[in-house]
Amino acid sequence: NAGVMQNPRHLVRRRGQEARLRCSPVKGHSHVYWYRQLPEEGLKFMVYLQKENIIDESGMPKERFSAEFPKEGPSILRIQQVVRGDSAAYFCASSPPGQGYGDTQYFGPGTRLTVL
Amino acid sequence: AQRVTQPEKLLSVFKGAPVELKCNYSYSGSPELFWYVQYSRQRLQLLLRHISRESIKGFTADLNKGETSFHLKKPFAQEEDSAMYYCAIDRGSTLGRLYFGRGTQLTVWP
Repeated sequence: NAGVMQNPRHLVRRRGQEARLRCSPVKGHSHVYWYRQLPEEGLKFMVYLQKENIIDESGMPKERFSAEFPKEGPSILRIQQVVRGDSAAYFCASSPPGQGYGDTQYFGPGTRLTVL
Repeated sequence: AQRVTQPEKLLSVFKGAPVELKCNYSYSGSPELFWYVQYSRQRLQLLLRHISRESIKGFTADLNKGETSFHLKKPFAQEEDSAMYYCAIDRGSTLGRLYFGRGTQLTVWP
């Protein structure tokens, strides 16, 4: 079990480009969470997804950001028209089927996005 | 709003000394509390959770609802304990989102 996989590990984009971050959860896990970590800050919740459903996107910026977790394939966090303020580490976590709350979340290694 | 406060950004102790990493939270419900740890060049991983009431790697954490604290303690620190420690809270609702503190970097000197 390779754990949560994220790719790419490092992503460099110029302002105005699109960034696509991928997350493959632990095999058998149906809950996926995305967090963002700005420099010197803790992880901030962005979105919580189950297969084909967005459960809670209250932490997502209203514009330019979107997330999906299709029936097949990895979860994708998409940032359109990136700006310098989007530069951060983006972490994905997964947890097994269940109630969601109280379950241990298993984290990926993160994707470090740098916007030039 | 939910908030997790870790007042110490950096904490240094010598090997064998006791260590306490502070965590205070603000939430009026019945949250679930966690400590996550990130060792150098490794991914964030769960250290312990309140509901399990267990000791992991010699660390314990007690939930004090009166003081809304969940401090992490170890009586005798080891060099391999050097890492970044994050306190996190789950509101205990049907939503599984975690709220994290800013983290405390613990350094244990030989």
